[in-house]
Amino acid sequence: GAGVSQSPSNKVTEKGKDVELRCDPISGHTALYWYRQSLGQGLEFLIYFQGNSAPDKSGLPSDRFSAERTGGSVSTLTIQRTQQEDSAVYLCASSLASGGLDTQYFGPGTRLTVL
Amino acid sequence: KQEVTQIPAALSVPEGENLVLNCSFTDSAIYNLQWFRQDPGKGLTSLLLIQSSQREQTSGRLNASLDKSSGRSTLYIAASQPGDSATYLCAVKSGGSYIPTFGRGTSLIVHP
Repeated sequence: GAGVSQSPSNKVTEKGKDVELRCDPISGHTALYWYRQSLGQGLEFLIYFQGNSAPDKSGLPSDRFSAERTGGSVSTLTIQRTQQEDSAVYLCASSLASGGLDTQYFGPGTRLTVL
Repeated sequence: KQEVTQIPAALSVPEGENLVLNCSFTDSAIYNLQWFRQDPGKGLTSLLLIQSSQREQTSGRLNASLDKSSGRSTLYIAASQPGDSATYLCAVKSGGSYIPTFGRGTSLIVHP
């Protein structure tokens, strides 16, 4: 079946604008993760969704970042009043369940550039 | 707090060599460890997943081992090919957390 998809693949925006990034996980996967990968840096965890449970937002860097997951499927990451330091590749991953046993499958990422 | 280190940060080898990539972690209470490859401008592709109860996993020319007591995992690539050129990352899921901790990766170049 289809893998994890993300849109847009590239986004260029001006400082101060809001952006929305979308993630479509693999059908049936209950766990969904958002990460950020900056140039020369490792993967930075942002937020984690598991089924209908309250999301783990512990990785969000500021209150300008928020995410939601509708119907346990598609997720949207919103960055308000973007700053140049928000420029990075935003990666989404899903897995079948939340336990320690499951492989994470990643999408291709959205490259965000804030001018 | 779990910390994951990958050594070396970069590696360049001629085609055909067997090579070993290293991943070390500080907290041995893990659920699993996963190896990924990332091609430039792409997402991560899962290579191998080792559960905490396992010692190794194999897929084709790849073999990953896990030694929890010493906090180490190695990814062995046999008979390397130019197509193996990518960044290899390991990720550890620790007991009590569903959030994996990633290493910074090893950038591998296999030249013809």
